[in-house]
Amino acid sequence: NAGVTQTPKFQVLKTGQSMTLQCAQDMNHEYMSWYRQDPGMGLRLIHYSVGAGITDQGEVPNGYNVSRSTTEDFPLRLLSAAPSQTSVYFCASSQNRWGLEAFFGQGTRLTVV
Amino acid sequence: AQKVTQAQTEISVVEKEDVTLDCVYETRDTTYYLFWYKQPPSGELVFLIRRNSFDEQNEISGRYSWNFQKSTSSFNFTITASQVVDSAVYFCALSVTGANSKLTFGKGITLSVRP
Repeated sequence: NAGVTQTPKFQVLKTGQSMTLQCAQDMNHEYMSWYRQDPGMGLRLIHYSVGAGITDQGEVPNGYNVSRSTTEDFPLRLLSAAPSQTSVYFCASSQNRWGLEAFFGQGTRLTVV
Repeated sequence: AQKVTQAQTEISVVEKEDVTLDCVYETRDTTYYLFWYKQPPSGELVFLIRRNSFDEQNEISGRYSWNFQKSTSSFNFTITASQVVDSAVYFCALSVTGANSKLTFGKGITLSVRP
């Protein structure tokens, strides 16, 4: 059982470039979300989805786009990368409402130069 | 709005000491869930425990124990006889139910256990 798979694990971008961080889960979970982790800031919610076709903004959504066309996939798009988006990104999923354990991917370390 | 406060940022102990990690939460909802996650130096997030708002019973799992007190909005985590392998960042998190439910994390506590 793969769980939550994030790709890539590492990425270096130049300022202004765009890219998509991939997230896939094979547990048929309704809820998925993206977090960024920065030193001293904990995990901050970027966007989340309560099911296919439904997404909403979290705490720090600016500069990021998401879509949820299938239950399995929840990609995060950086529209025009900025150095401030240098961070570690985590994707998470949960079976239903967040009362159950959230499963996390291994993280993507992104550096924007 | 929901909020989790982990006032301690870094804790350093010597192996075999007991250590308590504090977590204070804020929510207006009566139904909510509290979690602790561990992030070892390898970087992955490991689920430790979940507690719902209607269950104030304390829990013990080996050297780990959790104290949930609604009266003080706290969900503290104690490691007894700490070991070097306990060195990690520990996150407390809160979720509420509802149409826009989401998981909110505290800023984390870095625990260093020295041999």
